[in-house]
Amino acid sequence: DSGVTQTPKHLITATGQRVTLRCSPRSGDLSVYWYQQSLDQGLQFLIQYYNGEERAKGNILERFSAQQFPDLHSELNLSSLELGDSALYFCASSQTGGLESPLHFGNGTRLTVT
Amino acid sequence: GNSVTQMEGPVTLSEEAFLTINCTYTATGYPSLFWYVQYPGEGLQLLLKATKADDKGSNKGFEATYRKETTSFHLEKGSVQVSDSAVYFCAFPSGSARQLTFGSGTQLTVLP
Repeated sequence: DSGVTQTPKHLITATGQRVTLRCSPRSGDLSVYWYQQSLDQGLQFLIQYYNGEERAKGNILERFSAQQFPDLHSELNLSSLELGDSALYFCASSQTGGLESPLHFGNGTRLTVT
Repeated sequence: GNSVTQMEGPVTLSEEAFLTINCTYTATGYPSLFWYVQYPGEGLQLLLKATKADDKGSNKGFEATYRKETTSFHLEKGSVQVSDSAVYFCAFPSGSARQLTFGSGTQLTVLP
């Protein structure tokens, strides 16, 4: 058990809809990362937060947004969903937000857009 | 920019066979290098890392040596077990160097 909790485990929704994915980082970790894993694109970095502030942005679409709250949990909002957004979305956390501390991944949220 | 090329799978081995999964990188300087593993139904977890050239990372019988001459960080294990069946990802820092970029992943299946 990594200590990172993601909810829900599975999400099925229709095109055009909006969903929110939630992540609680490991106790003591200040940084949260979001990754998207799909069969054709592999594991893609989306965005990173550190102590409530956005720290780095990757291949995140404009339809997607995220935030980290004062209690350090994070939410990833996906809107105007398309079939191609179907993927496994992982949250990871680390203590410092730098590479000296390892990433701890949650078990992911599987999103299916129909 | 930095990039990583990982051996494509899937790889199927018999128990106790020798494992090598190739990973080569292109980078400026000598960044830290990592191997992560993803067991079925789970998130990724750090398997091992090497923070500088010529370092060897090791964990759970797996080893990888950071070779700057060949810009490689191949993962090896002398005798695999069924429980090693998983997807293995080579990873290194990129962009602002605060996040990891992962290779395409190599699916390993070990048969009894």
